Amino acid sequence: DAKTTQPNSMESNEEEPVHLPCNHSTISGTDYIHWYRQLPSQGPEYVIHGLTSNVNNRMASLAIAEDRKSSTLILHRATLRDAAVYYCILLISSGSARQLTFGSGTQLTVLP
Amino acid sequence: NAGVTQTPKFRILKIGQSMTLQCAQDMNHNYMYWYRQDPGMGLKLIYYSVGAGITDKGEVPNGYNVSRSTTEDFPLRLELAAPSQTSVYFCASSYSTRRGDEQYFGPGTRLTVT
Repeated sequence: DAKTTQPNSMESNEEEPVHLPCNHSTISGTDYIHWYRQLPSQGPEYVIHGLTSNVNNRMASLAIAEDRKSSTLILHRATLRDAAVYYCILLISSGSARQLTFGSGTQLTVLP
Repeated sequence: NAGVTQTPKFRILKIGQSMTLQCAQDMNHNYMYWYRQDPGMGLKLIYYSVGAGITDKGEVPNGYNVSRSTTEDFPLRLELAAPSQTSVYFCASSYSTRRGDEQYFGPGTRLTVT
């Protein structure tokens, strides 16, 4: 199974950039890299995804290493509302099935 | 759009009781999923469906059953509740695309089995 490795926790100061790392050394060529976040007592929320190239959206940027064995989620200016557990996930497609396999994620604390 | 809705929000069951967790989505998504999340852990896939009438097992299907008679609804059935099924249950849905699916999650059902 393709798995991801993330630090258990990180801290950031408000209004500073945050770089959340993820290792996925066993990724295969067709696996997409997804990031979700989960605020306390809520369901996960989609943040961003990519395959090979770096990606930007209104919430974040995703930087993918050239060999695809690691990636970094970048929050450009952390706010208190960004405090959450961030999951780096590989979307594995097998036939018609598309499965997200969640690890235990990184707990991000944002300090005022 | 209400998105993905789940009922009930909370439930306490006695060992051996049965119940159905309801999930509905109004986004016309083909794919629907049930996950469970134990305290301090990530989500684990229980069952998923790629369309009405088609379901398949995920990582932890034992003790659960599902059906998908319509595009909108995907109920999860617990037949003989056990303490090990104490968890938070999330339903999700997505389009079926080749580029990778963004999954939309419901607010969850917190289930306690005593």
